[in-house]
Order: sequence, then C-alpha cells, then structure tokens
Amino acid sequence: GQSLEQPSEVTAVEGAIVQINCTYQTSGFYGLSWYQQHDGGAPTFLSYNALDGLEETGRFSSFLSRSDSYGYLLLQELQMKDSASYFCAVREEGGGFKTIFGAGTRLFVKA
Amino acid sequence: DSGVTQTPKHLITATGQRVTLRCSPRSGDLSVYWYQQSLDQGLQFLIQYYNGEERAKGNILERFSAQQFPDLHSELNLSSLELGDSALYFCASSVDQLAVYEQYFGPGTRLTVT
Repeated sequence: GQSLEQPSEVTAVEGAIVQINCTYQTSGFYGLSWYQQHDGGAPTFLSYNALDGLEETGRFSSFLSRSDSYGYLLLQELQMKDSASYFCAVREEGGGFKTIFGAGTRLFVKA
Repeated sequence: DSGVTQTPKHLITATGQRVTLRCSPRSGDLSVYWYQQSLDQGLQFLIQYYNGEERAKGNILERFSAQQFPDLHSELNLSSLELGDSALYFCASSVDQLAVYEQYFGPGTRLTVT
C-alpha cells in the first residue's frame, strides 16, 4: 500500500521561508501533488511534480527526489494568509486511480 | 471559485436516515471524486467516476453508494447514517481519469448526524 508522512505542525514568522516535507512509500509512483486548505474551506491544488527537481510557481516551489522518495513544498515571503493546512498526495498503483493524501501539515504564520 | 459546485452546503439529519449529496464538476471535466474529511482529519478517498463509470474505490462503506449521470453530475448516497458519519464531504473533478494529480475541489457539504 501507500503511505505518506508529513509533519503535523510548522510555525514560522511573516516574511520568512518555510519548508514542509513529505516522504512517501508507494508500490508505484506517478508523481507528488500539493494542496492547500484553509480552515472551513476546500483544498486547492498548488503543484505537481512527476520528475526530480524543483517546480516554481510564484512564492511557492515544490521539489521531488524520486530516489529518496521525498518531496517538499517551499513557501517564501510568508504572509499571514498562508496560515493553512498543506497536504501532499500521490496516486495509488493498482485498482484504479485512487488518490492518497497525507495527514496534512498545519502552518501557523506569526506576525 | 474552482468551478465545482456541491449541494447542499449544510445538512443536519438523524441517525438511521438517508441523504443524497450532489456534485457538478467543472465544465469539461469528465472525472469526479468523492472524499470524506472528519474533524481535524485528512482527506479520505471514497470513490472515483469517469464519464459515468466507476474507476476507483477507496474505503467506502457499504452503506454509501455513488453514481455519475450522463450529464456528468454525481451523487453520493449515504444511508443508515451513524454519528460517526458526521464530516465534510468533498467532491472534486479533473479533466480525465489520469489527472488524479490535479483535482479541483468543490466547497463541500457539511453533514451533521444527530
């Protein structure tokens, strides 16, 4: 089966840089996705990495190392509105196209 | 606004009852996914449909069922409701069955079972 591990909480100050890690165990691998979810809101897609390396989208970047079964989401120039939960997700091999989400990392941005 | 719509926004019902949650995917998306999110929990995948056919099944209880209609909207039916079924239920859509990595979520239906 698949499993994803990410820290439960991270705290950082406004303007800083924070990295949220995700390690995964999969029987097949088709890429790592990241989603953001504010309290009471819906998850929103942030990024997807299928190949090794860094993908940059504005203040957010996502990195993948397939050999290490590891990825991270990097948030730069943190703003208060970045306080949210961040989930990594993978597609599960076999039996269709199930999406498995990590338990989520709650990011607190302090002034 | 993701373009995915869900109704109702809130639902309060009693144990033992049956409810139906509705989802309309983004225009052009053929694949629909259903998720359950309990308080302070992650997203649990329930089921996926593509163009009317079931494509993947997660840990969906036998009391739950879903379908996708020819107009691509989907319904999730929850029956014999228990207190533990209280949760946020999200629907998501993607352009095709392989785009599981990039899904667009609706605002969710908050179900409270009393």
